[in-house]
Amino acid sequence: AQSVSQHNHHVILSEAASLELGCNYSYGGTVNLFWYVQYPGQHLQLLLKYFSGDPLVKGIKGFEAEFIKSKFSFNLRKPSVQWSDTAEYFCAVNAPGTASKLTFGTGTRLQVTL
Amino acid sequence: GAGVSQSPSNKVTEKGKDVELRCDPISGHTALYWYRQSLGQGLEFLIYFQGNSAPDKSGLPSDRFSAERTGGSVSTLTIQRTQQEDSAVYLCASSRTSGLGNEQFFGPGTRLTVL
Repeated sequence: AQSVSQHNHHVILSEAASLELGCNYSYGGTVNLFWYVQYPGQHLQLLLKYFSGDPLVKGIKGFEAEFIKSKFSFNLRKPSVQWSDTAEYFCAVNAPGTASKLTFGTGTRLQVTL
Repeated sequence: GAGVSQSPSNKVTEKGKDVELRCDPISGHTALYWYRQSLGQGLEFLIYFQGNSAPDKSGLPSDRFSAERTGGSVSTLTIQRTQQEDSAVYLCASSRTSGLGNEQFFGPGTRLTVL
């Protein structure tokens, strides 16, 4: 069965530090990849997505992610985090034959301190 | 509407009672999805609709759970004889259509607490 792994469960960073959150998936064929963010008390919002083309994807709020097919990875990065980036981040995969459903990772809670 | 809406936002019920959760997708979106977010299980897929049909119900945890969609728009998720383990946030999402290349937009969720 398809699965998504997020290796960092809880990350604490100081403002201006760089961020990289890992995401690996198990499906070997064509996939759509997503990062969603859930700010405290708010609903899931899309940060960025990869469907095809340039494997370096830029999203909102200065986030980017790189799709590395050979590593089955889609890591999220931000050069300099802000306190307002405190949130939970979810990686998700949609693959053919999975009935259009998203399979989510377990999430990474990011806490940015001042 | 501008986004996916869900009602109620919070629901507290007693064990054994039935509950209905409602989802209003983005206008024009033909695909609609239900997910569940709970502390122990993370975000789990429950069921999806393309139009009024539900091609995949594989995520429904038991036969106490059912969902329907009428008129290709509003969907209702029904949980019969609720149990404490049903306590979770139930999320609805919609997309323009199903399949690859479609982004899912999420609603705010319904927080269900079963006492």
